[in-house]
Amino acid sequence: SQELEQSPQSLIVQEGKNLTINCTSSKTLYGLYWYKQKYGEGLIFLMMLQKGGEEKSHEKITAKLDEKKQQSSLHITASQPSHAGIYLCGAALNYGGSQGNLIFGKGTKLSVKP
Amino acid sequence: DTGVSQDPRHKITKRGQNVTFRCDPISEHNRLYWYRQTLGQGPEFLTYFQNEAQLEKSRLLSDRFSAERPKGSFSTLEIQRTEQGDSAMYLCASSLRRADSPLHFGNGTRLTVT
Repeated sequence: SQELEQSPQSLIVQEGKNLTINCTSSKTLYGLYWYKQKYGEGLIFLMMLQKGGEEKSHEKITAKLDEKKQQSSLHITASQPSHAGIYLCGAALNYGGSQGNLIFGKGTKLSVKP
Repeated sequence: DTGVSQDPRHKITKRGQNVTFRCDPISEHNRLYWYRQTLGQGPEFLTYFQNEAQLEKSRLLSDRFSAERPKGSFSTLEIQRTEQGDSAMYLCASSLRRADSPLHFGNGTRLTVT
């Protein structure tokens, strides 16, 4: 079973529109990471959240982790073609475990129409 | 740019052959990770090193797979007697030994086994 569920699987938005991607787990998340990936390339680190209720922003992207630390959202404001790509959430599911043994969702493919 | 470097970017091999990939982490990072990613899936953890010590291995890492980091700097991942199911993107990442240090990924090595 997939321990991290991402929704939606894919998203097509008009340039300038806002959008939200969700990442949900049935288990407590000890460290939640958001990455962006272009097809055939590596993952680009966006943000990391560790505390319940935490929220971080960078440029037009905001990520939140809920109080129970089981759900995170990634919100993009006024989307641009440069935001297109695959967004992946990754998380550590074991407290005190290796920080590098991350579980990833399947990704959300974002397309932005000019 | 002193990001994570992986070589080669692409490798095509025939079933049964051995292949070796190299990863050069960010120089000050003492942790190094290997992940595998297949089409439409998120990355799956394979193994990680802290300096030269291999501290954790996934059950995905069969006996045909071996990873080394002999001097605590670069790492190699070898696959012996390759199978078609080994076809995937092999991603390397590195980080500091700190809970708040995110993983930084390389661009990966895409392996195709024919």
